[in-house]
Amino acid sequence: KQEVTQIPAALSVPEGENLVLNCSFTDSAIYNLQWFRQDPGKGLTSLLLIQSSQREQTSGRLNASLDKSSGRSTLYIAASQPGDSATYLCAVRLDGDTGNQFYFGTGTSLTVIP
Amino acid sequence: DVKVTQSSRYLVKRTGEKVFLECVQDMDHENMFWYRQDPGLGLRLIYFSYDVKMKEKGDIPEGYSVSREKKERFSLILESASTNQTSMYLCASSPILGRAYGYTFGSGTRLTVV
Repeated sequence: KQEVTQIPAALSVPEGENLVLNCSFTDSAIYNLQWFRQDPGKGLTSLLLIQSSQREQTSGRLNASLDKSSGRSTLYIAASQPGDSATYLCAVRLDGDTGNQFYFGTGTSLTVIP
Repeated sequence: DVKVTQSSRYLVKRTGEKVFLECVQDMDHENMFWYRQDPGLGLRLIYFSYDVKMKEKGDIPEGYSVSREKKERFSLILESASTNQTSMYLCASSPILGRAYGYTFGSGTRLTVV
């Protein structure tokens, strides 16, 4: 079974700082990897999806990278804003998994201080 | 945009009641999933379905059942609600194939069992 770990569990930064969130997974035979944002009491919003053949994806101030061989992905947030405060989760889908499910990390809770 | 709609944002039910949580998606996705999310435990898969009338147990199916009579609708049923089923319930859908596609989540249902 795929184990997904996110470190740190919580992070607090001043506004304007660039930051990196980490995600590691145990099985490198992945189909794709997805980063989500979750605001308190809400559902998950998809931020970026990286296919197994890709190294990175970018959307605005967000950049996600993937290194399958080392079992790692990072989410880079540039010029952080208070509105970025949320919990960020990564999820991994395995190649050849007939269940088609994603395996989730427990998330990093980000607070951006004005 | 793909939409996944969960019928209720908040529900309060009594112990022993039969509870139905409804989820509808509008993008013809084959896969549908039910998760529960609890502090410190992350997202845990209850059941999923990859086709009409098909269902598979996830990690924590005990006390739950599901129904998928139409492709767009996936229902989670708590046969006899208990207080330990108080949680946030999240529905997601995805296509079976396509590395460029991941999960789309609904906005969640916060269920309280008293």
